[in-house]
Amino acid sequence: AQSVTQPDIHITVSEGASLELRCNYSYGATPYLFWYVQSPGQGLQLLLKYFSGDTLVQGIKGFEAEFKRSQSSFNLRKPSVHWSDAAEYFCAVGARNRDDKIIFGKGTRLHILP
Amino acid sequence: NAGVTQTPKFQVLKTGQSMTLQCAQDMNHEYMSWYRQDPGMGLRLIHYSVGAGITDQGEVPNGYNVSRSTTEDFPLRLLSAAPSQTSVYFCASSYRGGGAFFGQGTRLTVV
Repeated sequence: AQSVTQPDIHITVSEGASLELRCNYSYGATPYLFWYVQSPGQGLQLLLKYFSGDTLVQGIKGFEAEFKRSQSSFNLRKPSVHWSDAAEYFCAVGARNRDDKIIFGKGTRLHILP
Repeated sequence: NAGVTQTPKFQVLKTGQSMTLQCAQDMNHEYMSWYRQDPGMGLRLIHYSVGAGITDQGEVPNGYNVSRSTTEDFPLRLLSAAPSQTSVYFCASSYRGGGAFFGQGTRLTVV
C-alpha cells in the first residue's frame, strides 16, 4: 500500500520569496504523483501531476514539482510567492494498478508574510 | 459540465441516526472515491470503486457503507452516526493516472 509524508505542517514565507514544499512517498513501483491546493473553506484543486516521462512537471499558477526516484520525493516549488498562494497544499500518490487508489498526505499550510 | 456533484452541502445529525451522502459525476470516470477531511489529518480514504458493481475499503471504512450501481453515482451511507464522524466529506472521481476531481464537500456535524 502506498503512503505519503509531508514533513512540514506549517511553512511561512515572505511575499516574493521562493517556496519549496516537501513530499516523500512510499510505493513499490513508480507511482502517479499529484499536488493539490485548498484555499480556506474551498474544495481541492489539482495543481500538477506526474504521470511519466520528464521528471520536472509544470503546473498551474506558476508551480512546478520534481520527481526524484532515488529520494522517493516530489517536492513542490514556486520561484516567487504571492499573497494569494496562502492555502493548504496536499501531496498525493496514486497506485499504478487496477484500483487507481489515491492516498493523500496530511497537508502543509502555507502562510505568506506581507 | 457539472463535474462531481455532492449533496447536501451541510447536515446536522443526532447520534444514532442514519443518512446517505449523495455523489454523482458526469465525466464518465470509472473510478470514484469518498474521503473525509479532519484538521491535521489530511484527506483519508473511506471507500472507493473501480467501476459499477465493484467497491473496496480504504483507510477508514468503519461505520460507512457504499454501493455503485451505475458509473455516475456513488452514495455514502452512515449506518448509525457517531460524533467521531463529524467531518467534511469529499467525493471524487478519476480516470487512470488523471488524479482526483473533487466535489465541493459536505460538512457533517453529529451531535
